Amino acid sequence: SSELTQDPAVSVALGQTVRITCQGDILRSYYASWYQQKPGQAPLLVMYGKDNRPSGVPDRFSGSSSGNTASLTITGAQAEDEAAYHCNSRDGSATHVVFGGGTKLTVL
Amino acid sequence: QVQLQESGPGLVKPSQTLSLACTVSGGSISSGDFYWSWIRQHPGKGLEWIGYIRYSDSTYYSPSLKSRVTISKDTSKNQFSLRLSSVTAADTAVYYCARGEARFDYWGQGTLVTVSS
Repeated sequence: SSELTQDPAVSVALGQTVRITCQGDILRSYYASWYQQKPGQAPLLVMYGKDNRPSGVPDRFSGSSSGNTASLTITGAQAEDEAAYHCNSRDGSATHVVFGGGTKLTVL
Repeated sequence: QVQLQESGPGLVKPSQTLSLACTVSGGSISSGDFYWSWIRQHPGKGLEWIGYIRYSDSTYYSPSLKSRVTISKDTSKNQFSLRLSSVTAADTAVYYCARGEARFDYWGQGTLVTVSS
């Protein structure tokens, strides 16, 4: 299956650590990419590959992958991290793309 | 700095064809091994990949939309375009253009297209 599954909503206390996960069999073959999306804005790439952060993304964001699960970890969550987070990957064809359903992160 | 900007009608009638263009600045769409994609987001929902065109003009489309989608590019305008035929209310969404084929590093701001009579 090429589906990617994310928890619809996750919450974290200000300053604490939160892990957002993305599950799918295809992640055994391909790395996930992660996007942050705030209301009314376009998605922003925050993580890709094994653990690569684009320039400008705070180092409190980190990525990992194990088996069929990719994770985006925010260490010391800030109020400005409250957003939806989407994962995506290639699908089994290697030429198509699949997205997860997105996770709404609330920072308490 | 690469920038992308979508343009096109915000309202399309059912059964007609949705047409959007994405103008790229800060880089040429015909240089480098880049892919140029269309992605949409239904109101309050997740992201849905529509398809992409490669610098070489080869195209790949979502299986669920393949029969209705055409992506093309105009290098003279540094633009790539989306055409989605036979639209219904289910095609109402924010449409984004982006650079990449699995990792999307630059995005347009998105444009809302409403399908309604």
